[in-house]
Amino acid sequence: DADVTQTPRNRITKTGKRIMLECSQTKGHDRMYWYRQDPGLGLRLIYYSFDVKDINKGEISDGYSVSRQAQAKFSLSLESAIPNQTALYFCATSDPGTGSEKLFFGSGTQLSVL
Amino acid sequence: GNSVTQMEGPVTLSEEAFLTINCTYTATGYPSLFWYVQYPGEGLQLLLKATKADDKGSNKGFEATYRKETTSFHLEKGSVQVSDSAVYFCALTLSGGYNKLIFGAGTRLAVHP
Repeated sequence: DADVTQTPRNRITKTGKRIMLECSQTKGHDRMYWYRQDPGLGLRLIYYSFDVKDINKGEISDGYSVSRQAQAKFSLSLESAIPNQTALYFCATSDPGTGSEKLFFGSGTQLSVL
Repeated sequence: GNSVTQMEGPVTLSEEAFLTINCTYTATGYPSLFWYVQYPGEGLQLLLKATKADDKGSNKGFEATYRKETTSFHLEKGSVQVSDSAVYFCALTLSGGYNKLIFGAGTRLAVHP
């Protein structure tokens, strides 16, 4: 089983719909992150969480919200999806005790907003 | 601001060719530098890193040297294989406080037999 699991793997939705992407991890890491990947732009940080009570905005948080339900679970919501939120979304974890620069990524969720 | 610039891809090579993927950075302070690799259909994986000037990171035959004077961290491999076909991301993080990775745009490598 994967250490960082994202669901769903693919999702097609319509403009204005509310969407939730889920991430769970079995690595026991406190730190979790949501990134989006767009062609030619690399990965950009949406939100990050250093523990259950600590949630922070990244560089592109507008239009997104997150919930850290437990150490192992970190979900990303699009309250009202729009077409320019079509992207590949990655969840990641890290352990500051072993060097927080090393991120462990899930396999991604491809989201298409029509 | 802090940023990472990579050479545009795709880079197409024949098996056993020499690989160089250029990466330069702009940063305030003293960053740590990384190369991540993304194989088709997978998330990114850390390939190698260097935390201070003149350090050389290496893994799986890939190498990169932290060059402060040229603000560069170019990725090299002497003999690529078909299995190296992937997207390669250069990234940096700044010391002090929490760490957030700043990624370059990625460079796609295609290796043909």
